[in-house]
Amino acid sequence: QKEVEQNSGPLSVPEGAIASLNCTYSDRGSQSFFWYRQYSGKSPELIMSIYSNGDKEDGRFTAQLNKASQYVSLLIRDSQPSDSATYLCAGSNYQLIWGAGTKLIIKP
Amino acid sequence: EADIYQTPRYLVIGTGKKITLECSQTMGHDKMYWYQQDPGMELHLIHYSYGVNSTEKGDLSSESTVSRIRTEHFPLTLESARPSHTSQYLCASSQGITDTQYFGPGTRLTVL
Repeated sequence: QKEVEQNSGPLSVPEGAIASLNCTYSDRGSQSFFWYRQYSGKSPELIMSIYSNGDKEDGRFTAQLNKASQYVSLLIRDSQPSDSATYLCAGSNYQLIWGAGTKLIIKP
Repeated sequence: EADIYQTPRYLVIGTGKKITLECSQTMGHDKMYWYQQDPGMELHLIHYSYGVNSTEKGDLSSESTVSRIRTEHFPLTLESARPSHTSQYLCASSQGITDTQYFGPGTRLTVL
């Protein structure tokens, strides 16, 4: 059974701090990884994709991939209350496997 | 960014009714997906299609059916709705092998 695991949270982070979200996956054949943000009652929206080991930065967001350890992480710098949402991690080996999501709460 | 549309956005119907949830995308994506998601819960893949006249069942058993007669259109049908079908239904599409999926706004279905 191919799995993507995330801590369900909630993860509470003070405003302005760095939020760190983690995800592990079981399928070593996975080549592509994605972070989506989902606000309550809304559909998921893509934040970042990452395909190679290392870091990928986009504004306040940094995705990190370590294929040897089979984990993916998302760092959110200077966290804002508007970042409060559920963050979904997904990995793909020709088919996307979704994690259950981590609920992030940014406290003003 | 993909343009993907779902109608209706909200639907309240009685038990036993036949319903069709519409999903259309204008990006020419070859792959389309239907997910079911209850509030605060994880996404469950119920159907997917990798092209015209190609449909497959997903991981979650569903009493719904789908069709893919045109690339841009992927409707989901429930022949006889039941209260257990009450949920949010999300349509998504992607192109090629990257599997970057783009989601529609969703249909929130309530069966009384």
